[in-house]
Amino acid sequence: GQQLNQSPQSMFIQEGEDVSMNCTSSSIFNTWLWYKQEPGEGPVLLIALYKAGELTSNGRLTAQFGITRKDSFLNISASIPSDVGIYFCAGQGISGSRLTFGEGTQLTVNP
Amino acid sequence: DTAVSQTPKYLVTQMGNDKSIKCEQNLGHDTMYWYKQDSKKFLKIMFSYNNKELIINETVPNRFSPKSPDKAHLNLHINSLELGDSAVYFCASSHFYLDRAHGTQYFGPGTRLTVL
Repeated sequence: GQQLNQSPQSMFIQEGEDVSMNCTSSSIFNTWLWYKQEPGEGPVLLIALYKAGELTSNGRLTAQFGITRKDSFLNISASIPSDVGIYFCAGQGISGSRLTFGEGTQLTVNP
Repeated sequence: DTAVSQTPKYLVTQMGNDKSIKCEQNLGHDTMYWYKQDSKKFLKIMFSYNNKELIINETVPNRFSPKSPDKAHLNLHINSLELGDSAVYFCASSHFYLDRAHGTQYFGPGTRLTVL
C-alpha cells in the first residue's frame, strides 16, 4: 500500500525560529493536506493543496505540493509557543482512494 | 457550535465488555470515517461511510462494527474488548467528490478508550 515518510519525527526549537518539515511518498498523490494535533484534541486542518507546484500560505504557515506529486513540505515562520503540537501530512491518491497519514512531527517550542 | 462531536470523551472498561462510541457532524457532509490512533500517534483509517453505505472497510477485527443511521451520524460498536483495543478513536467527516475522493476531512475531538 501507499506509505508516507514524514520527517523529522521531532523538533525542539527556540521561539522565533523558522521550522520546516516534509513528507515523501512512494506513489503519486492528487491532494496533500497538513494537520495539527494538540494534546487531547483531534487533528485540525491547516492547509490543503490540490495541484502540483501549488504554494499556499495560512498566516505564518506555508505549504507546497511538490512538482513530482510525491512530496510536500510545511514551513512555519517565526515560531511561537502555541505552535507546539504534532503536525501530520496526509495524502489522497487517485479518485476513490483513502487518506494516508504520515507518522507526524512533534514540535516543541521553547520560550 | 461543534462541527464533529464524539461521545464519550473518555471510556475506561474491562476486558471482554461491549462498548459503543457515537459520532455526529453538523457540517452537512455525506461521508464519515473512523480512525484509530495508537500510542505512537499513528493515525490509521478503520471505516468510511458515504450516505450510510460502507465504502472503506480496512482489516480490523470483526469485533468492530460501524453503524450509520443517517448521513450525520456514525457510531462504532466494539464487542469483547481486548487490551490491544486501547487507543484514541477519531471520527471525521467530509464531502465526497468524484475527482477528489473523500475531500478534506474534519476530525472530532477523539475518544480515549482504555481497556483494563
